[in-house]
Amino acid sequence: EVLLVESGGGLVPPGRSLRLSCAASGFTFDDYAMHWVRQAPGKGLEWVSGIAWNSAGIGYADSVKGRFTISRDNANNSLYLQMNSLRGDDTALYYCVKGRGAYYYFGMDVWGQGTTVTVSS
Amino acid sequence: EIVLTQSPATLSLSPGERATLSCRASQSVSSHLAWYQQKPGQAPRLLIYDASNRATGIPARFSGSGSGTDFTLTISSLEPEDFAVYYCQQRYNWPPLTFGGGTKVEIK
Repeated sequence: EVLLVESGGGLVPPGRSLRLSCAASGFTFDDYAMHWVRQAPGKGLEWVSGIAWNSAGIGYADSVKGRFTISRDNANNSLYLQMNSLRGDDTALYYCVKGRGAYYYFGMDVWGQGTTVTVSS
Repeated sequence: EIVLTQSPATLSLSPGERATLSCRASQSVSSHLAWYQQKPGQAPRLLIYDASNRATGIPARFSGSGSGTDFTLTISSLEPEDFAVYYCQQRYNWPPLTFGGGTKVEIK
């Protein structure tokens, strides 16, 4: 069974940083792209970033480009999202999502349960 | 960026009825469209990928159709567990991978 467990969320003041982690199991992690998708309270889904199996292909939403950095550690089956210069509109539930193929443009399938990030003073 | 517009925003139906949800893209996405279901307090679940392919374990009452700019998710006969929010998402033009705003299927 594919399992994705996010961690690292919390309450942080505007302008500060936070690093999210996702521990993956139940599949061959380095065969698949991975994604972060967020959902603001009471709102819809927003794709944040995706990374190819070998980290060679990476994409970001315009809303986070230059502030967030996605990375992965295939040896430890882990995905990360470094979030800098956080703003109030970054407040959301952040999901780790498994890709359907090796590159992020193949889309997504299995989702974790999410970790909550709240940006507030 | 490709914009996906879902309609209606809310669909009020009774169990056993047929549900038809629409997703329209601002430009062609070929068949590179997926549908997800999200229940309250839960993560989204992939239902359909590449417009018409059911994901693993998805019941046959869910079907997807369309190509280019117009897509439809059909639930042939609503079960109580199908009342949820449904999102479409394109992977044709990236980044970003974009989602529609969602359609809520509620009990009438």
